[in-house]
Amino acid sequence: GQQVMQIPQYQHVQEGEDFTTYCNSSTTLSNIQWYKQRPGGHPVFLIQLVKSGEVKKQKRLTFQFGEAKKNSSLHITATQTTDVGTYFCAGLLNTGNQFYFGTGTSLTVIP
Amino acid sequence: EPEVTQTPSHQVTQMGQEVILRCVPISNHLYFYWYRQILGQKVEFLVSFYNNEISEKSEIFDDQFSVERPDGSNFTLKIRSTKLEDSAMYFCASSEMLNTGELFFGEGSRLTVL
Repeated sequence: GQQVMQIPQYQHVQEGEDFTTYCNSSTTLSNIQWYKQRPGGHPVFLIQLVKSGEVKKQKRLTFQFGEAKKNSSLHITATQTTDVGTYFCAGLLNTGNQFYFGTGTSLTVIP
Repeated sequence: EPEVTQTPSHQVTQMGQEVILRCVPISNHLYFYWYRQILGQKVEFLVSFYNNEISEKSEIFDDQFSVERPDGSNFTLKIRSTKLEDSAMYFCASSEMLNTGELFFGEGSRLTVL
């Protein structure tokens, strides 16, 4: 079945350090979305990437979609305590109508 | 800002009992979804719903599950005979578009099956 894996599963960083989570799909994706889930909260949409090689930025967050459209990454520059949460990628298959969520990366920021 | 609302926030039930989880999607959205998240794990797709019928469902969504849009605003998930492994957070989501639309999630309904 479709697998969307993320690494690392957990990441602890000192406040101010950078953070990156990687998302890898076993099959080619039509597009990919990223969500953030605060502890005890619900997933909140961050961004969508559609084109091969696309890069988008939101303030300190940089999102990238791989050339083969099978992987993606989220990079946070100079983490802050408000960045704490679990980051999920969600990929849409070329042939499907639903998003497969990745396994998530839980980020802890140590003040 | 419009939001997806879910009730109840927490339900405790005995194994074998029926449970109905309710959701009110954002009013101008056409696509509705149920996802579940077992504690500490990933968000798993259950079912999508459009135009008053199921458009896609996962292998998790077996005969014990059903969805309904009983009126113009509510979207419900029914579990007929709950099992211990049904304990999870159930998220309702809605979107304006299919495939390219942002999913707006509700706060979730935590189901505990004893």
